[in-house]
Amino acid sequence: QQQVKQSPQSLIVQKGGIPIINCAYENTAFDYFPWYQQFPGKGPALLIAIRPDVSEKKEGRFTISFNKSAKQFSLHIMDSQPGDSATYFCAASDQSGAGSYQLTFGKGTKLSVIP
Amino acid sequence: DAGVTQSPTHLIKTRGQQVTLRCSPKSGHDTVSWYQQALGQGPQFIFQYYEEEERQRGNFPDRFSGHQFPNYSSELNVNALLLGDSALYLCASRPGQGFFYGYTFGSGTRLTVV
Repeated sequence: QQQVKQSPQSLIVQKGGIPIINCAYENTAFDYFPWYQQFPGKGPALLIAIRPDVSEKKEGRFTISFNKSAKQFSLHIMDSQPGDSATYFCAASDQSGAGSYQLTFGKGTKLSVIP
Repeated sequence: DAGVTQSPTHLIKTRGQQVTLRCSPKSGHDTVSWYQQALGQGPQFIFQYYEEEERQRGNFPDRFSGHQFPNYSSELNVNALLLGDSALYLCASRPGQGFFYGYTFGSGTRLTVV
C-alpha cells in the first residue's frame, strides 16, 4: 500500500527535448506529491510539488501532470538542458493524519541530456 | 541562511561496530527526519523527531535509534553494523507548524561498512 512505482529507470534525451518521468501510487490517502532532483554527492532538492485538487502545475520549465482517478502523476521537463542531467525522484505523503508527513519515494530516474 | 548540515561527510566502519551521525536542521525548522538511501535506490524513511521525541518510525530494526536536542539538532545511531547498512544517510528538516512547503535535505553522510 505504501509503494510508489517510478519509470523509466533511465532516460537519455537530446538538448531541447522533453523528458517525461512517470509515477504511480497505490495508497489513496496520499495527498502531497513532490518531485526531487538529486545530483551526485548531494541530497535531494525539492523541484516542484502538487496536491490532488489540481491536475497540472507548472514552475519554470518543470510541469507536473496529475491523474487522481488513475493514481498516476508525471514530470515533464521542457527545453531540457545538459545541466538538467541528474536523478529525479517522485514521492508521496499523507498529510491528513498525525502530521509526520513522511515521504515515500520512487526508485528514481537517471536523466542524461546530451548536447 | 545555512541549509541542513550533516556530519561527517564520509565514514568507514567495521561490521559489528556502532556509529553516530549528526544533523543540524535549517534555521527555523524544528522537525527532523532521517532517511537511508541505498545505492541506486530512493530514500527510505527511518524516523522523525519533533519536540525531542520520536514521532513516527519506518520499517527499520531497533539497532537504529535517534535523539533530538533542545536546539533541534539530531543524531542517528546505528548499533551492531551490518554490511547492508552501507548507504547514504540523509537528514531532512521542516517547520513543525504552519503550512507545509516541503522538506529540506542535507547532502548526507556516506557510510561504508566493511
